[in-house]
This record gives sequence, structure tokens and C-alpha cells, in this order.
Amino acid sequence: EAQVTQNPRYLITVTGKKLTVTCSQNMNHEYMSWYRQDPGLGLRQIYYSMNVEVTDKGDVPEGYKVSRKEKRNFPLILESPSPNQTSLYFCASRARGTLGAFFGQGTRLTVV
Amino acid sequence: DAKTTQPPSMDCAEGRAANLPCNHSTISGNEYVYWYRQIHSQGPQYIIHGLKNNETNEMASLIITEDRKSSTLILPHATLRDTAVYYCIVSIQGGSEKLVFGKGTKLTVNP
Repeated sequence: EAQVTQNPRYLITVTGKKLTVTCSQNMNHEYMSWYRQDPGLGLRQIYYSMNVEVTDKGDVPEGYKVSRKEKRNFPLILESPSPNQTSLYFCASRARGTLGAFFGQGTRLTVV
Repeated sequence: DAKTTQPPSMDCAEGRAANLPCNHSTISGNEYVYWYRQIHSQGPQYIIHGLKNNETNEMASLIITEDRKSSTLILPHATLRDTAVYYCIVSIQGGSEKLVFGKGTKLTVNP
């Protein structure tokens, strides 16, 4: 089954404690991206990657890092999480030349 | 900013057609119209896309006006499970991976 898998689905952490949210897709897609969703602000892109070792900033990249060492994986790293990064996070992937993106089920992160 | 305008909410009776409008008056010639939906807090789900011709798939139909300044997503027989926020997005094919989601339309399907 074609899918984008994020882990964990829920996470509560403390300020400053590094964390990684993993994202994996099994469709051999070139494009992957991360979004965060906040009430009243909608979905905003954090980072995206157009292929292995190619990443670029989206609209709200501050406080986040990503890497794309393999085509299937695109982890989101918070080196020093802060409460304003409390949000619902989505990973997405799509193939080059196609128009429909597949989204993961989301990771609800709370930073206290 | 999103390049589209959608009504914030709509209601539809179960079994009836749901017609969701979207205005995209500044759309350029190489931009496609995409529709996604998000059920509660799940990940957005791709529904359909089009350039200038009307499109239909197993989920919905997309009607694009001749001047391409607006479109309508049609769910022919809405069910309770179609209750969701529906997003209309315009984007070029092959551009950077960025979907700009506006506020969408909250569709409530009533029994």
C-alpha cells in the first residue's frame, strides 16, 4: 500500500531536548516536504527536498533542520525545541511531474 | 498568500451533490487547479486536479470555467464521511514542492 509514514504520532517533550520526527515513503517519490499546521494559520511549509541531498527552506524554517540521505526518508530535526514549536506536523511526498501529494497522518508535538 | 478564495463553510444533505466553489482570478496560464481535503486532523488527501478541461475521477468532478478564473468541485453523492475542510490550490506543475493552503471550506454533510 502506498503510504507516507510518520513517527511518532504524538510526542510531549521539554524545552531544549533535541528530537527527531521521522518520515518515510514507499513510493520512490523524488519530492518530500514538511508542513506544520496551527489554528488560524493553516498549513505552512517548513522545508522541502526535490531529491537526495537536495533540500531547501520553506516559509517557516527557523528552528528546524532536515536531511535527505536516502530517497525514502526525510527526517525533521528540532535541535532545541521551544514551546512555539508546539504544533501538528505533516510530511508529504510526490513524484516529479505528478500533481497529487501524499501526506502522512501527522505528528502532534507538544513542547513544555 | 493563497491565490484562491473559498467560502469558509457550507452545508450539504447526505446523498445530495455538494458543489464547492473556488475563485482564482489571478491564475496564470501554466497553473493547475488542485483540490485537497482534510478530515478532522488527518493528513490532507489529494482529490483531483485540472488545467482547463473538466475532470472526473472516482472521488469527484472538477468544473473549470472557460476563463479559468473560477472552478467548482462536485461531490455527486455526499456522505457523512465527506465532512472535511476542502482546499483549492493553484500551482504550476514541476515547480518547487510548495502547496499554499488557504483556509479552505469546511463542508458539513448532514444526515
